[in-house]
Amino acid sequence: DIQMTQSPPSLSASLGDKVTITCQASQNINKYIAWYQQKPGKAPRQLIRYTSTLVSGTPSRFSGSGSGRDYSFSISNVESEDIASYYCLQYDNLPLTFGSGTKLEIK
Amino acid sequence: EIQLQESGPGLVKPSQSLSLTCSVTGYTITSGYDWSWIRKFPGNKMEWMGYISYSGSTNYNPSLKSRISITRDTSKNQFFLQLNSVTTEDTATYYCARGTRFDYWGQGVMVTVSS
Repeated sequence: DIQMTQSPPSLSASLGDKVTITCQASQNINKYIAWYQQKPGKAPRQLIRYTSTLVSGTPSRFSGSGSGRDYSFSISNVESEDIASYYCLQYDNLPLTFGSGTKLEIK
Repeated sequence: EIQLQESGPGLVKPSQSLSLTCSVTGYTITSGYDWSWIRKFPGNKMEWMGYISYSGSTNYNPSLKSRISITRDTSKNQFFLQLNSVTTEDTATYYCARGTRFDYWGQGVMVTVSS
């Protein structure tokens, strides 16, 4: 199985800050990584697929980058509605595997 | 609009089977895509459990070995999860989702395994 090491586990940011979350895969995943946002009591929502492609409806302040084993997800100009947990998913190989999640809080 | 909705009992006794239904509207499950089950544990770890493809083939997470079965009823546009011999470690929120990129999700159903 491909292990996805996600960091940090939690983030505290001020409104307007830029924050970055990273996921490192245990092997090359050929850019097949997606990022999800999950708010309490809600289903996860896909924000980005294939490393950097924003899904329809994803605000442009979200972005993704990376290659090989190393990937990052950023939110520029953090807004209060961004309070949530964020997860990465590799879909290069079965079994599909998730990162452990990052909880974003506002200072 | 594509919607998925999970249903099933919220409490299952240890050693029994967990059975959930995912009802899909707005898209016919035989038209394309794989249809997945995913769960989120109380500690927030997420696990892909398996999928049934639009053609009816299945693929399961090896971690669930022979305990899992995913089937479908095409006449009702539904697919199902059965997890056998459950323990308290199967307590989780269970989601159904479309594809292997999970572009659409159900709202989730919390299942507690307890006597």
